[in-house]
Amino acid sequence: ETGVTQTPRHLVMGMTNKKSLKCEQHLGHNAMYWYKQSAKKPLELMFVYSLEERVENNSVPSRFSPECPNSSHLFLHLHTLQPEDSALYLCASSADRARHTEAFFGQGTRLTVV
Amino acid sequence: DAKTTQPPSMDCAEGRAANLPCNHSTISGNEYVYWYRQIHSQGPQYIIHGLKNNETNEMASLIITEDRKSSTLILPHATLRDTAVYYCIVRSSNDYKLSFGAGTTVTVRA
Repeated sequence: ETGVTQTPRHLVMGMTNKKSLKCEQHLGHNAMYWYKQSAKKPLELMFVYSLEERVENNSVPSRFSPECPNSSHLFLHLHTLQPEDSALYLCASSADRARHTEAFFGQGTRLTVV
Repeated sequence: DAKTTQPPSMDCAEGRAANLPCNHSTISGNEYVYWYRQIHSQGPQYIIHGLKNNETNEMASLIITEDRKSSTLILPHATLRDTAVYYCIVRSSNDYKLSFGAGTTVTVRA
């Protein structure tokens, strides 16, 4: 248990579906992140939020839409995904963006797009 | 651009020390060495980090060479639960990003 909770743990969705991934942390952290891990590939940073403001979008397609309503919650809204979007989606948080503190990761959501 | 080089895999015996090498020959003065691990189908877990001095915590020890061009993560008494992919990451104190490479797949055998 790292203090970062992701739901659901597993998700299967069709290409025309709309779904959302949820991440929650009660560590008092100010920065939250979405990562994607495809099979046999390194983790890829998708989005960075600092103090509820999106500060980075690493050329992620618009079918992925993040939302950070407050410093404890982060969502990733999914719509019209493709089979190649199937991956492990990981949320992480850290005390703040600038300092070299360790990041805490959630257990991830295993997404399968059919 | 890869800042670190790690062997793709290594085996170690349960109960013995596991020494995981990492080369970071282009490391600059304000860059720290971080180690994370990822057990299968779970999120990465922070292990330890250091700048130039050796560091130790409840999980592992980090030995950084004097020229800082390489480091070794030591798991003092490896258990089966230490089987994971171990990532060595070089990160600037001003950079929040964690750039994960391929890591070393460590398999602890009974």
